[in-house]
Amino acid sequence: DAMVIQNPRYQVTQFGKPVTLSCSQTLNHNVMYWYQQKSSQAPKLLFHYYDKDFNNEADTPDNFQSRRPNTSFCFLDIRSPGLGDAAMYLCATSRASGSYNEQFFGPGTRLTVL
Amino acid sequence: AQTVTQSQPEMSVQEAETVTLSCTYDTSENNYYLFWYKQPPSRQMILVIRQEAYKQQNATENRFSVNFQKAAKSFSLKISDSQLGDTAMYFCAANAGGTSYGKLTFGQGTILTVHP
Repeated sequence: DAMVIQNPRYQVTQFGKPVTLSCSQTLNHNVMYWYQQKSSQAPKLLFHYYDKDFNNEADTPDNFQSRRPNTSFCFLDIRSPGLGDAAMYLCATSRASGSYNEQFFGPGTRLTVL
Repeated sequence: AQTVTQSQPEMSVQEAETVTLSCTYDTSENNYYLFWYKQPPSRQMILVIRQEAYKQQNATENRFSVNFQKAAKSFSLKISDSQLGDTAMYFCAANAGGTSYGKLTFGQGTILTVHP
């Protein structure tokens, strides 16, 4: 089945130690999104890619970076994780065209910062 | 800019009964889309139902239906014959159309618990 896959599902890192989360998709969608979701809150968009074009949200800290080497893969890099960065990180994809612009979500990676 | 408001942090319902989750939104766009997403505990978020703003007819998907009141900017979700598997956090979201891709604006979420 076509899907959005996130690895790892659980990631533990130390304060200040760089960490990379990965997302892959078999949907061949043009757009890929990264969200941060803290407990019982709405997902907060960090940035998205439209093909290779990177679009950063204005309030996304510089500590968060992203790479999209090809259509299928997208990475979230946290350069120096702080305790406040502990959260669920969701990857999502959508078609660039189409009337509904539905987003398809991965299962998320839960990040713990020690 | 868009805003989405869900005023019910938590709701509960007995199995087989009906429950309605509220959502209001604000947007300056003429063409937009509204969604309800479901996020079960420890599971991924999935789309429940969607509505195009220019369609007057309310969307339905099996036990799920919406009451879309465009003038009032209201978009509530009705779940009929509630099942234990409906227990989840529900997010209302808006997507401004008119662009080739759209960013979702989420509401705060409503935790729904279905009791046996």
